[in-house]
Amino acid sequence: DAGITQSPRHKVTETGTPVTLRCHQTENHRYMYWYRQDPGHGLRLIHYSYGVKDTDKGEVSDGYSVSRSKTEDFLLTLESATSSQTSVYFCAISDSGVTDTQYFGPGTRLTVL
Amino acid sequence: GQQVMQIPQYQHVQEGEDFTTYCNSSTTLSNIQWYKQRPGGHPVFLIQLVKSGEVKKQKRLTFQFGEAKKNSSLHITATQTTDVGTYFCAGPSGAGGTSYGKLTFGQGTILTVHP
Repeated sequence: DAGITQSPRHKVTETGTPVTLRCHQTENHRYMYWYRQDPGHGLRLIHYSYGVKDTDKGEVSDGYSVSRSKTEDFLLTLESATSSQTSVYFCAISDSGVTDTQYFGPGTRLTVL
Repeated sequence: GQQVMQIPQYQHVQEGEDFTTYCNSSTTLSNIQWYKQRPGGHPVFLIQLVKSGEVKKQKRLTFQFGEAKKNSSLHITATQTTDVGTYFCAGPSGAGGTSYGKLTFGQGTILTVHP
């Protein structure tokens, strides 16, 4: 497996609290992505990064922000968590030189009460 | 925007039966990729198809890319309990050289294999 870690792996929080999820890679890949996975919806892109300090929105970005201050770290922040943000969050990386193949981290299961 | 549809959503088979999942894109794809996610795990890349009409095999798995490069299929022969999981197809999203490696994933097919 590619060198990708996510922290925390599990988190339970309350509505209205801020939450930050971290993705760390050791592959020096340029592109990083945050997805959420919900039953019946597959993997939906929240935000992505195409370089340090270069980020953009995906298809379900409302309520989320991201930051990438170093190549290896990509942070996802829920400014004020809501129950609809209960999900499994995956980080992925890609070299995207030719193939666009993505490599996924182990995921973070977030529950918002 | 681009849509990638995958059917069926669920498939239950007896061990030894065959299984097929189908993927259809609303736009022509430069390539299509397949991923497998074991229960409780993360998606793992299986294969990429690039050429029109391409067929690739990995042991009991056969992957096809349609002639029009808008559809694809994954066929598993004689399923085993180790095949259990969710199978996703994915195609590049975004236009031209600005896709930033983004992928649009199908909803996935959840395969259950009964021993």
